[in-house]
Amino acid sequence: GAVVSQHPSRVICKSGTSVKIECRSLDFQATTMFWYRQFPKQSLMLMATSNEGSKATYEQGVEKDKFLINHASLTLSTLTVTSAHPEDSSFYICSARDSGGGQTQYFGPGTRLLVL
Amino acid sequence: AQTVTQSQPEMSVQEAETVTLSCTYDTSESNYYLFWYKQPPSRQMILVIRQEAYKQQNATENRFSVNFQKAAKSFSLKISDSQLGDTAMYFCAYTGANSKLTFGKGITLSVRP
Repeated sequence: GAVVSQHPSRVICKSGTSVKIECRSLDFQATTMFWYRQFPKQSLMLMATSNEGSKATYEQGVEKDKFLINHASLTLSTLTVTSAHPEDSSFYICSARDSGGGQTQYFGPGTRLLVL
Repeated sequence: AQTVTQSQPEMSVQEAETVTLSCTYDTSESNYYLFWYKQPPSRQMILVIRQEAYKQQNATENRFSVNFQKAAKSFSLKISDSQLGDTAMYFCAYTGANSKLTFGKGITLSVRP
């Protein structure tokens, strides 16, 4: 149980284009999902908290107009990187917290984004 | 604000031996959860073990166990009978009332054959 999927696993795009990443909880409902960014050999950096049916909460320094988050259902959150630039190249990971209780976050497999 | 400290950047252990990974944290909250996550080369974050602060008994999951010292704010992970598949980066993490995870910097564990 507690499986989170993420799609795509890898994406290469041209500078200036937008990229959408999907995060799905497959066997549980998640009113809260989280989006992280991770650089090689470093820890995870929380970008935003995605709340079903309401606006996302962004961490300090994260541009909400650049990283659009939509949490339209209890099993799906999307992160759209708008007008991507090479500095946005990174590994993006989502996690989901089971609405049924508990504070455990279950993670998706991550998306490797390369902006040329 | 809560902080999580993993002071050892790297460790190495011989296959079948036991290794302990250290973690300390700082918080003023009384109710919280602590976790160890494993990130192998695939980069998939995998939950290894979880400890609820109000539980005095140390959590165990097969070969993995923790030494939770609440007063000392210490939360170490012991891996027994180390296997090659245990090679990974390990993150200690904390969550409290705001439900956000605070991670340590991680430790790279290498298991030698």
